[in-house]
Amino acid sequence: KAGVTQTPRYLIKTRGQQVTLSCSPISGHRSVSWYQQTPGQGLQFLFEYFSETQRNKGNFPGRFSGRQFSNSRSEMNVSTLELGDSALYLCASSLALAGGLHNEQFFGPGTRLTVL
Amino acid sequence: QQPVQSPQAVILREGEDAVINCSSSKALYSVHWYRQKHGEAPVFLMILLKGGEQKGHDKISASFNEKKQQSSLYLTASQLSYSGTYFCGTVRSNFGNEKLTFGTGTRLTIIP
Repeated sequence: KAGVTQTPRYLIKTRGQQVTLSCSPISGHRSVSWYQQTPGQGLQFLFEYFSETQRNKGNFPGRFSGRQFSNSRSEMNVSTLELGDSALYLCASSLALAGGLHNEQFFGPGTRLTVL
Repeated sequence: QQPVQSPQAVILREGEDAVINCSSSKALYSVHWYRQKHGEAPVFLMILLKGGEQKGHDKISASFNEKKQQSSLYLTASQLSYSGTYFCGTVRSNFGNEKLTFGTGTRLTIIP
């Protein structure tokens, strides 16, 4: 079974630009979560999608948005990039059912975003 | 609310034991443990659900004290392969819209 894939793996942008990151979950997984990882902050929850609906959102500004398609693939978008957005962005998929995130999450390799 | 992990870092010799703690100020429904090696994605270790159960596989086990909103991860007779950063994640309820919130991690270094 193929794992979670994320594209692109590396991205360099300048302040003020926008970026779209993509995540393809494991086949059959309907839940996709996004996390921002920076040194010292651990894994900060961005949002989770389940069957094309955003079920939860973390404490990030509205510049961070996402969506999920009918095939469970997900994208996240960051507009008006700031230097502080430089981070590793991880997505994770799971077999999470309607009852919430109580299943194993499978993480992708991440997209390393650098904002100059 | 982000769970608090302790210690932040620990260095052990191969064969020694380690305990990593995770605590929350809010009631919890489940606690999740993940390990991330340098340059790799986090990998699932185990989930503990409300009920105070203890789980384990190989020489890694964990407990969950729901009354204290605390979980502990136990690594016995540590091996070099155990090195990495350990994250606990918590979910506060069984409702579908609850998020998984991770702590800032505990860096474990095993030396020969």
